[in-house]
Amino acid sequence: EAGVTQFPSHSVIEKGQTVTLRCDPISGHDNLYWYRRVMGKEIKFLLHFVKESKQDESGMPNNRFLAERTGGTYSTLKVQPAELEDSGVYFCASSPGTHNEQFFGPGTRLTVL
Amino acid sequence: AQKVTQAQTEISVVEKEDVTLDCVYETRDTTYYLFWYKQPPSGELVFLIRRNSFDEQNEISGRYSWNFQKSTSSFNFTITASQVVDSAVYFCALFNAGKSTFGDGTTLTVKP
Repeated sequence: EAGVTQFPSHSVIEKGQTVTLRCDPISGHDNLYWYRRVMGKEIKFLLHFVKESKQDESGMPNNRFLAERTGGTYSTLKVQPAELEDSGVYFCASSPGTHNEQFFGPGTRLTVL
Repeated sequence: AQKVTQAQTEISVVEKEDVTLDCVYETRDTTYYLFWYKQPPSGELVFLIRRNSFDEQNEISGRYSWNFQKSTSSFNFTITASQVVDSAVYFCALFNAGKSTFGDGTTLTVKP
């Protein structure tokens, strides 16, 4: 069974540009999470989808970040316009239920120059 | 508010030594889950263990063991007879109803 996949693995963009990250969860997992790890600090929660609905988006840093999960399958996280402080590794995770272990993807390393 | 503290930023040991990674958490909730994840140099996060707040039984899995003590709000992780392949960043995390809080991670280096 395929695990959580993320695309791209790396992205280097200039300040002010737009970037869209994609996450494909494990098939059948209703719960999808986005996290970010900035400059070697802790992994910070961004938001949580249950199917196509946003269950909790309290961790989204500001309105430059937009996450969608159309159809309850894959999810995208768009950053527009990107700022220098957005650089970091963005992880996606999925789980069958809210209290199950979360299976993480390999992450997307975003560098904003 | 929830908080997870991993006081040890970096630990370096020599192969075959035992090492304990500390994790202290804060939450007002009575029902929660605690996790440990491993992030090897390849970057992915690998699930190691999950514990719910009502199960304080310690667990051993091969060279890995976990000590959960609610009285001290700690969930420590011990690697016995460490190996070079254990070198990674280890994260402790607190989950409750979809809300997750990670510690800063402890970088473990095991030297041959």
